[in-house]
Amino acid sequence: GNSVTQMEGPVTLSEEAFLTINCTYTATGYPSLFWYVQYPGEGLQLLLKATKADDKGSNKGFEATYRKETTSFHLEKGSVQVSDSAVYFCALTGGSYIPTFGRGTSLIVHP
Amino acid sequence: GAGVSQTPSNKVTEKGKYVELRCDPISGHTALYWYRQSLGQGPEFLIYFQGTGAADDSGLPNDRFFAVRPEGSVSTLKIQRTERGDSAVYLCASSLGSGGATDTQYFGPGTRLTVL
Repeated sequence: GNSVTQMEGPVTLSEEAFLTINCTYTATGYPSLFWYVQYPGEGLQLLLKATKADDKGSNKGFEATYRKETTSFHLEKGSVQVSDSAVYFCALTGGSYIPTFGRGTSLIVHP
Repeated sequence: GAGVSQTPSNKVTEKGKYVELRCDPISGHTALYWYRQSLGQGPEFLIYFQGTGAADDSGLPNDRFFAVRPEGSVSTLKIQRTERGDSAVYLCASSLGSGGATDTQYFGPGTRLTVL
């Protein structure tokens, strides 16, 4: 079956530091890949997505590249802000519309 | 416009009781999903509606769980004879299209259910 593995958190960074949150997946066929973000007290929001190999999704300074050869979709940002503190979920839809989510990675950014 | 709303935001109940959780999707969205999120986990799929009908209920854990969407808009998730293991955040999401793999889902803030 489909599965998503994310690095465990929390990830703690200082403002303006470089961020990487690792995500690898297992799926049959050609899944679509997503990153969702959940800010404190809010619902999940789609951050970015990529629907085919080598696509790069980007939004709000975050980027992730769909790497089929390494089955990865790592999330990166060059300079994080305190307002980026949230929980980040990697997810995929492969073979159906039902997404499979990772366990989430908490990001804490200090001023 | 308004996003997906869920009520109540918190629900505390006793073991064995019946609960109903409500979801108001974004107007015009035909697809509606329910998920359950346990502490430290990602959301797990429960059921998917396309219009009024449950297109896929394969994620419902057992027959104590049931969901309806009688007019193709608001949906209610019903849990009978609640157990402590049902404690979780229940999330609702809606999407505009046919529920395809790239269809963007918009999530509500969730209902936190605590079964004592």
